Amino acid sequence: GAVVSQHPSWVICKSGTSVKIECRSLDFQATTMFWYRQFPKQSLMLMATSNEGSKATYEQGVEKDKFLINHASLTLSTLTVTSAHPEDSSFYICSARVRERYTDTQYFGPGTRLTVL
Amino acid sequence: QQQVKQSPQSLIVQKGGISIINCAYENTAFDYFPWYQQFPGKGPALLIAIRPDVSEKKEGRFTISFNKSAKQFSLHIMDSQPGDSATYFCAASIGGSARQLTFGSGTQLTVLP
Repeated sequence: GAVVSQHPSWVICKSGTSVKIECRSLDFQATTMFWYRQFPKQSLMLMATSNEGSKATYEQGVEKDKFLINHASLTLSTLTVTSAHPEDSSFYICSARVRERYTDTQYFGPGTRLTVL
Repeated sequence: QQQVKQSPQSLIVQKGGISIINCAYENTAFDYFPWYQQFPGKGPALLIAIRPDVSEKKEGRFTISFNKSAKQFSLHIMDSQPGDSATYFCAASIGGSARQLTFGSGTQLTVLP
């Protein structure tokens, strides 16, 4: 199957700083990527849908100015957590949607663990 | 509004046993139902998926049973192994494929050796 990578795999930062997380599709092009947030022992909550070359679509309750998403190319989407605070500490997972055999499949990245001190 | 309800929250099974995880959905527009497996600190990986035109799909030790009238679907893991210990998520989507997924709450499966 297709491979999606995330970088970094974990990051620790001080409160008030900004953190950028990269999501790359390694062997395919993805016109659509998704960003999820997952708290310990909880489900994945969709934060936003990122389409290449256009503005991201955010889910209700997700602050656009806090979670900046850029999908500059068909293989790269970035999530920037601006002015991070301890409550932003979470596991962030991206996925890339690809068309395979007449159907859409989402491949997930390995996730990024963000800890804000 | 939780659109996909998953149970149980946790499950302990002996090696060689059958693990059964259930999901129920509310939105009748859903027409694609995948199951994902997630190990700690990793992203989810697609296990198996089903569409409403069939009542059962089997891939190796994993089987999805689907009941359209009851709006329920379940994952059966036959001959469960310790390596199957992970968190399992059901999901649902509209459009016949993984266009935009709504996830269940997850089931933490532990298979005892």
